[in-house]
Amino acid sequence: LAKTTQPISMDSYEGQEVNITCSHNNIATNDYITWYQQFPSQGPRFIIQGYKTKVTNEVASLFIPADRKSSTLSLPRVSLSDTAVYYCLVGDYGQNFVFGPGTRLSVLP
Amino acid sequence: KAGVTQTPRYLIKTRGQQVTLSCSPISGHRSVSWYQQTPGQGLQFLFEYFSETQRNKGNFPGRFSGRQFSNSRSEMNVSTLELGDSALYLCASSPKPGHTEAFFGQGTRLTVV
Repeated sequence: LAKTTQPISMDSYEGQEVNITCSHNNIATNDYITWYQQFPSQGPRFIIQGYKTKVTNEVASLFIPADRKSSTLSLPRVSLSDTAVYYCLVGDYGQNFVFGPGTRLSVLP
Repeated sequence: KAGVTQTPRYLIKTRGQQVTLSCSPISGHRSVSWYQQTPGQGLQFLFEYFSETQRNKGNFPGRFSGRQFSNSRSEMNVSTLELGDSALYLCASSPKPGHTEAFFGQGTRLTVV
């Protein structure tokens, strides 16, 4: 399984765009990149998944460069309710999720 | 569509006892995975069931076991509870096994005293 590295924590202010970058240097050809969000005492919630280039949904965008050795989750105009832990996961469809420590995002007023 | 339901939400047990946690997946989902979350170790994979068969197992002692029924509902059991088993136990369901979009329940908060 490809190992991922993310910043342990980030601070932002309401209304700003937040970009969280995840490194996965040994990503395999069949691996997908998935991001989850978790609030305290709740289960993780799926945000977005991609394989290459850019994926966008109503919540976030995921940017994946051509070499796929990293990915960036972009959250537009964050609010206080976006304060959470964000996990980057990499794996093939035949594998199970391996959660790292994630990035603790704090959105300040 | 109802989400993933875990029962009970909170549980207090004494060391040495055993406990059974229940998970009802989203209707139509046949894959159920279990995770343990603690402040020190984070989210750790316990096991995954698909069509009543254990497909994968994480690195946990044999005291942790699980099963899945024909209606895809799943239970996990922890025997001879230890203080270190205190954690949030999360269940996730997905239509098929592996690295697909998983839907997590609210979890069961187990406290061992």
